[in-house]
Amino acid sequence: KAGVTQTPRYLIKTRGQQVTLSCSPISGHRSVSWYQQTPGQGLQFLFEYFSETQRNKGNFPGRFSGRQFSNSRSEMNVSTLELGDSALYLCASSQDGLNTEAFFGQGTRLTVV
Amino acid sequence: EDQVTQSPEALRLQEGESSSLNCSYTVSGLRGLFWYRQDPGKGPEFLFTLYSAGEEKEKERLKATLTKKESFLHITAPKPEDSATYLCAVQATGTASKLTFGTGTRLQVTL
Repeated sequence: KAGVTQTPRYLIKTRGQQVTLSCSPISGHRSVSWYQQTPGQGLQFLFEYFSETQRNKGNFPGRFSGRQFSNSRSEMNVSTLELGDSALYLCASSQDGLNTEAFFGQGTRLTVV
Repeated sequence: EDQVTQSPEALRLQEGESSSLNCSYTVSGLRGLFWYRQDPGKGPEFLFTLYSAGEEKEKERLKATLTKKESFLHITAPKPEDSATYLCAVQATGTASKLTFGTGTRLQVTL
């Protein structure tokens, strides 16, 4: 059974640009969550999508957005990149997001220069 | 606001030297407590979910326990391959799949 796939694995962007990250969940999983991981803050919840609807949102500015497609694949977009957006972005999938284990992808390492 | 505090921040053990990692939490209503292992440059790997006080789960050299205020991850006779960062997270009732993570314990096991 294939795991959670995130693409690309690495990205280097310039301040002010925008970026789109992709996550393909485990087959049959309908919930996809996104997290930002930095050395200082650890893992912080960005948002969760279930059946193409954003069900939960963390405390991040509106520059961070996402969406989910009918096949449960999800994308995350960050506009007007700032240096502080440099981080490991992780996607987690679970069957329904409630009382079920969340499985993480390998992450996308974003560097903003 | 949900909070998770892990201690110690870092732990160095010799192979075979058993120890415990602590995860203290504050949550309005606990849906589940999760333990993950993370190797450098990789995503967290799921280890355990605990749902209610008194629950215990084991996997190889690891055993996780849960009380109403904290969880422990006991590592028995660790090996160098157990070296990793161990993350604890809570999921509160009414927050769908949001996990609130602690900052982790970096474990190093030496020969």
